[in-house]
Amino acid sequence: QVHLVGSGGGVVQPGRSLRLSCAASTLIFSVYDMHWVRQAPGKGLEWVAVISYDGNNKYYVDSVKGRFTISRDTSKNTLYLQMNGLRPEDTAVYYCARPGMSLTVTDARNYWGQGTLVTVSS
Amino acid sequence: QSVLTQPPSASVTPGQRVTISCSGSSSNIGSHAVNWYQHLPGTAPKLLIYNNNQRPSGVPDRFSGSKSGTSASLAISGLQSEDEADYYCAAWDDSLNGVLFGGGTKLTVL
Repeated sequence: QVHLVGSGGGVVQPGRSLRLSCAASTLIFSVYDMHWVRQAPGKGLEWVAVISYDGNNKYYVDSVKGRFTISRDTSKNTLYLQMNGLRPEDTAVYYCARPGMSLTVTDARNYWGQGTLVTVSS
Repeated sequence: QSVLTQPPSASVTPGQRVTISCSGSSSNIGSHAVNWYQHLPGTAPKLLIYNNNQRPSGVPDRFSGSKSGTSASLAISGLQSEDEADYYCAAWDDSLNGVLFGGGTKLTVL
């Protein structure tokens, strides 16, 4: 079992930056591809980004490409999402997750953080 | 444009069976496995089905999944009030090089 704790959310003005963190409870984190998924108010789940277990492969939803960067620090068991050039439409609860899905397979390993709220508003 | 299409809502009475559809294309469901999630407000999504039709440990056998071609379905039998939630399908998409979630289906148990 992997316990994930997200942090770093808050209120930020359009155009500014924010970095989300997600601390994992176990070294097993280092073997998992990890995702960020968000949910805007009143909307459904939206996948944001994924990073491979070794950090070598990263993929993003089109709407955040060039603005967001996913990364991980295995020595700290921590996943990050650097968000630059934030827009009001980025307002959402952001979940770090290993959602029963890696870059190659689906399986039963479903772990999610508690979600951290990012509000982009002037 | 790659999308996974789900009905926005469904209403059923306790004890009945409901089927939620998820329609995609060759670049997603047609080529990759489908997961299904149950999401209650303020909580982390729960994985109900992975790899099209596999149930994680602890998920009741009232929940079942299937896939045919570019479509997938989640069936829930013996509906209970606790099943009232939002349900999402998800699959990798080769065109987007990313994960697609369906728009979600809000299930109401009357």
